[in-house]
Amino acid sequence: GAGVSQSPSNKVTEKGKDVELRCDPISGHTALYWYRQSLGQGLEFLIYFQGNSAPDKSGLPSDRFSAERTGGSVSTLTIQRTQQEDSAVYLCASSFPGGDNEQFFGPGTRLTVL
Amino acid sequence: GEDVEQSLFLSVREGDSSVINCTYTDSSSTYLYWYKQEPGAGLQLLTYIFSNMDMKQDQRLTVLLNKKDKHLSLRIADTQTGDSAIYFCAGGGSTLGRLYFGRGTQLTVWP
Repeated sequence: GAGVSQSPSNKVTEKGKDVELRCDPISGHTALYWYRQSLGQGLEFLIYFQGNSAPDKSGLPSDRFSAERTGGSVSTLTIQRTQQEDSAVYLCASSFPGGDNEQFFGPGTRLTVL
Repeated sequence: GEDVEQSLFLSVREGDSSVINCTYTDSSSTYLYWYKQEPGAGLQLLTYIFSNMDMKQDQRLTVLLNKKDKHLSLRIADTQTGDSAIYFCAGGGSTLGRLYFGRGTQLTVWP
């Protein structure tokens, strides 16, 4: 595809339910990042995948958050037992390997937990 | 890790110059970036500067880096209403992978 795509664009869920957010990176990009943007806040790093290396999970806020990347391409961010404070825009980015390369961002998934 | 600070709001008149400022705490960033976010859209890379440079100019955009003071600025010349958006400063580099973002500066351009 032409850019990073994310689905769904909007997700409204009830507190306590699980949600899955999907990211399709740009073809050929081996690095994939998840960030969270809460209202009035900057982007908070969540997790970083680089090729077949173990992901950097240092930004995940709790064990309710997990992510996987299948076949080095598509990634899914899962939030279990959602809480109201999980409401945010979840942004995915991808890049060629190496932190010097430009990260291309998707449009984000707006998650609202009622 | 890196701590990046930005002022939250800036208002200018169309045709004036805008200057958005950013400070950072850690010198390990190899690159410093400016991203633009328009309403309902993802982040778009505007420009970046390598950490051993002092200045970079790209059409209407000028980036200044003061390494001693750990201060980065983005100047937009002849600001237009289409420049209204949130501008994020970020640090990153080969040893970091991830980017460290500021909270963003909301630029409002009045006609």
